[in-house]
Parts: sequence; structure tokens; C-alpha cells
Amino acid sequence: DTGVSQNPRHKITKRGQNVTFRCDPISEHNRLYWYRQTLGQGPEFLTYFQNEAQLEKSRLLSDRFSAERPKGSFSTLEIQRTEQGDSAMYLCASIEIGGTEAFFGQGTRLTVV
Amino acid sequence: AQTVTQSQPEMSVQEAETVTLSCTYDTSESDYYLFWYKQPPSRQMILVIRQEAYKQQNATENRFSVNFQKAAKSFSLKISDSQLGDAAMYFCAYRTRNTGGFKTIFGAGTRLFVKA
Repeated sequence: DTGVSQNPRHKITKRGQNVTFRCDPISEHNRLYWYRQTLGQGPEFLTYFQNEAQLEKSRLLSDRFSAERPKGSFSTLEIQRTEQGDSAMYLCASIEIGGTEAFFGQGTRLTVV
Repeated sequence: AQTVTQSQPEMSVQEAETVTLSCTYDTSESDYYLFWYKQPPSRQMILVIRQEAYKQQNATENRFSVNFQKAAKSFSLKISDSQLGDAAMYFCAYRTRNTGGFKTIFGAGTRLFVKA
């Protein structure tokens, strides 16, 4: 296992289009997080899954955002009707059962033009 | 609500010298974790060091050590014998240990430059 994998690494989309990102966590990790990071800022929490259950969502996650983790393994984050303000790096992280360290993927950089 | 503040947007250090990055946080809880993460340019974030709030002893990992002042809610990172590979964004972060506390809260980061 080479760590948390995110695809795609980069995505350029036109305003109004829908985009979907994928995160494959480390295989034995049951906890999965999505964060958004804008330039010059720290990551901001978006949502959290424990296995397939989405247990917490940030107020940052508007109705245009939806996340799933259908089988408790990989997760997807979809943004509908993208806006220029959605341009950011989207980070995924996972933590193993009983663990404290979050392992991060390399992120998906979204640019909305 | 918990907050994490890093008041130094940028820091610079000469190779082989020592540098200290500052972090303060605000919480009403007594049991939590504090972290320092490193994010090199175009690379993924990695954990540098972790401190449990119930432990009085400051954490140390090789050239990295922290000064944890619980009463002052201060958590600084000291990097000794700085190396060129230490150049990166450094984020201070907080997470509660209470049941139901899931998210990690990050500061805005400090960009560290290392001069040869």
C-alpha cells in the first residue's frame, strides 16, 4: 500500500460544470476526511466518514457538494454547478482504527474558469 | 469553538541553525492532541510531531521538538540543525480527544525558507 491516493491530481473545469474527485485511503483505515485548502491557508475541514457513515459535515459544504463512501473503502467528492470560488486544493486524509496520525493524499487541485 | 493561530506567515533560517515556529490555540477542553504538519511544495502533507495534552513532557522527534505550554495555550516547534529539505509550509493543528470529536483544525501555516 503506497498511501492515500487521490485522482485526478489536477482538474480544470468551466464554471457551471460538475466535477467528481476520488480518494482511495490506506486500506486498513476506517476513518476518512475531506479538506479544502486555498492558497496561503491551512486545510479547512469539509466532511468525515467512519466506514461508510458520513458522521460530520462542515457548513462549508453547501448543497452543491456531496460526498460518498459507499462500501467504506474509497470516497468520492462531487461538486455540482462549480463556481470560481470553488477553486482550491481538495485534500483527503485517512486514519486507522485507534490511530491518531492522519495520512494525507497529494490532493486534487481544482481550477474553475 | 477551537481555533489555531500561527502569527508568522514566513520565517527564514540559515542552514545548520535553529528556528522556532510559533502557534497558539484556543479551546475550553482539557484533553486533546496538538500536531505539527509539514507540506513541501507540490507534495503531500506529513506529520512532523504530535503532543498529547495530558503529557507534561515535550515531544521530540530527532531534530524536531516542541515547547508545549498548556496554561498559555502555546505550542511552538523548534527545528535544530536546519537542512535544505526542511523548507516547506508548516501547519500547527488541534484535535479533541473527546468522543465525537473528529475534525482536525489547522492554522494558516508558516512558510519556512532555509538558506544555504
